[in-house]
Amino acid sequence: GAVVSQHPSWVICKSGTSVKIECRSLDFQATTMFWYRQFPKQSLMLMATSNEGSKATYEQGVEKDKFLINHASLTLSTLTVTSAHPEDSSFYICSASVGQGTLNTEAFFGQGTRLTVV
Amino acid sequence: GENVEQHPSTLSVQEGDSAVIKCTYSDSASNYFPWYKQELGKRPQLIIDIRSNVGEKKDQRIAVTLNKTAKHFSLHITETQPEDSAVYFCAAKGYGGATNKLIFGTGTLLAVQP
Repeated sequence: GAVVSQHPSWVICKSGTSVKIECRSLDFQATTMFWYRQFPKQSLMLMATSNEGSKATYEQGVEKDKFLINHASLTLSTLTVTSAHPEDSSFYICSASVGQGTLNTEAFFGQGTRLTVV
Repeated sequence: GENVEQHPSTLSVQEGDSAVIKCTYSDSASNYFPWYKQELGKRPQLIIDIRSNVGEKKDQRIAVTLNKTAKHFSLHITETQPEDSAVYFCAAKGYGGATNKLIFGTGTLLAVQP
């Protein structure tokens, strides 16, 4: 299957600093990528849809100025957590699907990033 | 938007028994229903998926059924083994526009007792 690579796999940062997470599609082009957040023992909650060459679409309740998304190329989307606070500590994971069109296809996930804000 | 409910939240079975996890969805435009297995700290792994043009799909010990009228779909695992222990998530997705997002259920922690 297709490969989505996410980096870093874990990061610890100080409260008030910003952290950038990268999501790359290695062997396919992804016009759309999705960013999820998962708190311990909870489900994956969709944060935003990242669209190549245009603004991201955020889910209700997700602060767009705090979670900056950039999708400058067909193989790279980045999520920047700005002014991070301990409550932002979570598992962040991206996904992308191969191809667009009439057939819904499998979503491929990055390996996730464990963010700890101290 | 789409809302996916999943039951039960925890499920304990004896090795060799069957396990069934059920999900309901709200958006009739959804037409793709995958099931994922997630181990602690790792990415979700697709174990089986079904599209709205079929009612049932089977892959060895795993099967999924879909009832579009009732907006229900279920995961069936037969002859469970300890290595099946994990968190399982159902999900639903439509095509195009606001429905082209994969929305996850709340998850089921499956424990297979040896």
